[in-house]
Amino acid sequence: DAMVIQNPRYQVTQFGKPVTLSCSQTLNHNVMYWYQQKSSQAPKLLFHYYDKDFNNEADTPDNFQSRRPNTSFCFLDIRSPGLGDAAMYLCATGGGNGANVLTFGAGSRLTVL
Amino acid sequence: GQNIDQPTEMTATEGAIVQINCTYQTSGFNGLFWYQQHAGEAPTFLSYNVLDGLEEKGRFSSFLSRSKGYSYLLLKELQMKDSASYLCAVMDSNYQLIWGAGTKLIIKP
Repeated sequence: DAMVIQNPRYQVTQFGKPVTLSCSQTLNHNVMYWYQQKSSQAPKLLFHYYDKDFNNEADTPDNFQSRRPNTSFCFLDIRSPGLGDAAMYLCATGGGNGANVLTFGAGSRLTVL
Repeated sequence: GQNIDQPTEMTATEGAIVQINCTYQTSGFNGLFWYQQHAGEAPTFLSYNVLDGLEEKGRFSSFLSRSKGYSYLLLKELQMKDSASYLCAVMDSNYQLIWGAGTKLIIKP
């Protein structure tokens, strides 16, 4: 089935130890998003790509970086995770059409020790 | 600023009907979405409204009034599996999604 796949589902890291989260999609959608979501809060957009055009939200910390080597894959790099970065990280894709319904991956839950 | 307001938590009884309200103030409007999110899982799409009125989809319906900046999600014949958070999101004039914090719905037997 066409879908959005995130790996790993659960990631435990130590304070300051870099982490990379991955997202792949088989939907051939041209827009990919990375969201951070903390418990009982709205998803917070970190960045999005429209094809290869990268869009960084103004309040996304420099500690967060992203790469999209091709249409199917997108990575989120957290260079020096702090305790405040513990969250669920959601990857989503959108077709860029009028309705722009997002399809989410299952998420990667990050724990920082 | 842009904001989406929805109740933090609601409780309802299995088999009953519940209405979850959402009010919004955004820079432009290109549609309103409702997503369902079970604890520890990703949001899944429920409904999309861009014109005023009611959209019905099985047990779930969503209503929009653009002049009032208001929407509601109506869930009928509640089942225990409907216990989840329900997120309201509005697409603004830049086609960016503005998210509410979600309404946690607790279903009691």
